[in-house]
Amino acid sequence: DGGITQSPKYLFRKEGQNVTLSCEQNLNHDAMYWYRQDPGQGLRLIYYSQIVNDFQKGDIAEGYSVSREKKESFPLTVTSAQKNPTAFYLCASSILDWDTQYFGPGTRLTVL
Amino acid sequence: ILNVEQSPQSLHVQEGDSTNFTCSFPSSNFYALHWYRWETAKSPEALFVMTLNGDEKKKGRISATLNTKEGYSYLYIKGSQPEDSATYLCAFYTGTASKLTFGTGTRLQVTL
Repeated sequence: DGGITQSPKYLFRKEGQNVTLSCEQNLNHDAMYWYRQDPGQGLRLIYYSQIVNDFQKGDIAEGYSVSREKKESFPLTVTSAQKNPTAFYLCASSILDWDTQYFGPGTRLTVL
Repeated sequence: ILNVEQSPQSLHVQEGDSTNFTCSFPSSNFYALHWYRWETAKSPEALFVMTLNGDEKKKGRISATLNTKEGYSYLYIKGSQPEDSATYLCAFYTGTASKLTFGTGTRLQVTL
């Protein structure tokens, strides 16, 4: 079955530690995205990538980093510089950047 | 930063009621308008992607209309069922920004 996987589903980290969230897709999509959701807010774009080895900052990129070494993978690192990292993180992909986005199941990160 | 507004914020209807929500977006530089349904504990799922002024799309009991000149879209649900309970998100794409901007969603609860 084609789709997007994110792991783990729940993640706990101590303050000051970097943590990497995994996102893999087998849909052969060029574009991939990372969103963050906080209570009462819409999905906010962290980073996106339209092609391998290229990515752009979204609206809230500070304290995050990404890589896109393979078409199917777009890992997100939450660094210690991110002031409020506790949130729900969603990864998505699409064929074209304006077209339907397909979402993964999400990772809930809690920083203690 | 582009502003996408959805109303109402939440809605509670009884089974069999018909309902509708609004998504307002900037009317300039329009490229596409998306609607997603996000059920609890699941991933957001695309309902419609609309690109043309006057577009009307339908999927079962759910339909949507688009007015790009005045910057709004309506989502209609006819004869609501408990399985329609979800958060409905709209997202706006402008070619100049090359990314989706999401609204905060309308949370629908349908009771028997």
